This record gives sequence, C-alpha cells and structure tokens, in this order.
Amino acid sequence: EDKVVQSPLSLVVHEGDTVTLNCSYEVTNFRSLLWYKQEKKAPTFLFMLTSSGIEKKSGRLSSILDKKELFSILNITATQTGDSAVYLCAVFSGSARQLTFGSGTQLTVLP
Amino acid sequence: EPEVTQTPSHQVTQMGQEVILRCVPISNHLYFYWYRQILGQKVEFLVSFYNNEISEKSEIFDDQFSVERPDGSNFTLKIRSTKLEDSAMYFCASSDPPDRISYEQYFGPGTRLTVT
Repeated sequence: EDKVVQSPLSLVVHEGDTVTLNCSYEVTNFRSLLWYKQEKKAPTFLFMLTSSGIEKKSGRLSSILDKKELFSILNITATQTGDSAVYLCAVFSGSARQLTFGSGTQLTVLP
Repeated sequence: EPEVTQTPSHQVTQMGQEVILRCVPISNHLYFYWYRQILGQKVEFLVSFYNNEISEKSEIFDDQFSVERPDGSNFTLKIRSTKLEDSAMYFCASSDPPDRISYEQYFGPGTRLTVT
C-alpha cells in the first residue's frame, strides 16, 4: 500500500522565520510528487516535482525532491501570517492517476 | 484564471437520502476526479473519470456511489443512500489540458456533506 508521511504535524513560527516541511513516501513506481496549500477549503496547487535534485521555486516557496532517499522538502522563507495553512504532500504512482495524500503539516505564523 | 467550481458549498441530508454533488471542471481538462476528506483525516481518492467512463476507483467508491458527466460542463457525484459515515468534505478536481499530459490536479472549493 502506498504511503506518504509528512512531518512535523504542526508548526508554530513567527513572521520572518524560515520553515522546512518534510514529506517522505513509500510507493511502487513513483511518478511525481505534488505540494498543495490548504487554507479553509480547497487544496491549492503549489509545485509538482518529477526529477530528483531540481529545485522548483515560486517567490518565497521552494521545493526539492530526492528520489534516492524518497523524500521532498518544502521551504518557506521570510514567513508571513498569510502563509498559515495546512501544507499537503501527495504522490502519483504506477499508472494510476489517483493522488495519495499525506496527513499534512499545519503551519501557523504568528505576527 | 480558470478554476474548478462546486455546488452546493454545504449540503445537509438525512440518512438514507440520495444526494448529488455538482462540479464544473476547468473547461478544457480531460480528467476529472472526486476526493473526500473526513474531518481531521487525510484527503482520500474516490474516483477518476476520463472519456465518459470511470478510469479508476478506490475501495471507498462502492455501489452506493456513481459519477456522471451529464453534459459538456458538469461532473456529478451521486450517493444513493447516504450513511452517517459519508459526512465529509467532497472535493472535485480536474487535470490534463488536451495539448499535453499533466499530473497537476486542480481542486474545487469542496462541498461539505453532513448526514444526520
């Protein structure tokens, strides 16, 4: 059974801090890993990572994948209160188009 | 920017009743999905739909569930006889514009289903 594990489960920081969120996976025939930000409702797409070692970047957010060690990290620099959300990691594997999600990391950024 | 929309945002129903959740995927996408998230739990895959038929489904998607694309824009999830444990947030998603294969799934805002 495919497994996606995120850590930490929750994190409280102050504005301006840098955070690193972790996602490890055990899946058969890995295809890609996706990061989403979930505020009140819909998961909002952030990044998709397919190749190992290539950093994806968008503003203060960046992410990298290590296919050898089976994990990905999501970094957020200079955090703002608007970054407060649950960050979800999800993996595609095999020929399926279904995403397997982790439990998420609840990030709270205090002013 | 195109987005996935869902209606209603909240549905309350009595156990045993049928519900239909509606979604309008991004217009040029070819794959459509339903996921659910029980309060405090992970987002779970229910079903994927491509070329007017179910592509894959999970163990959760039993005979009580069905999906349909009744016209060119809507994608629906029907639960025939709701149970208390069907209470959850149901997300619709879509992916794959016709010009390229893409695994990026875009989610709608969800329908919160409460079964009493």
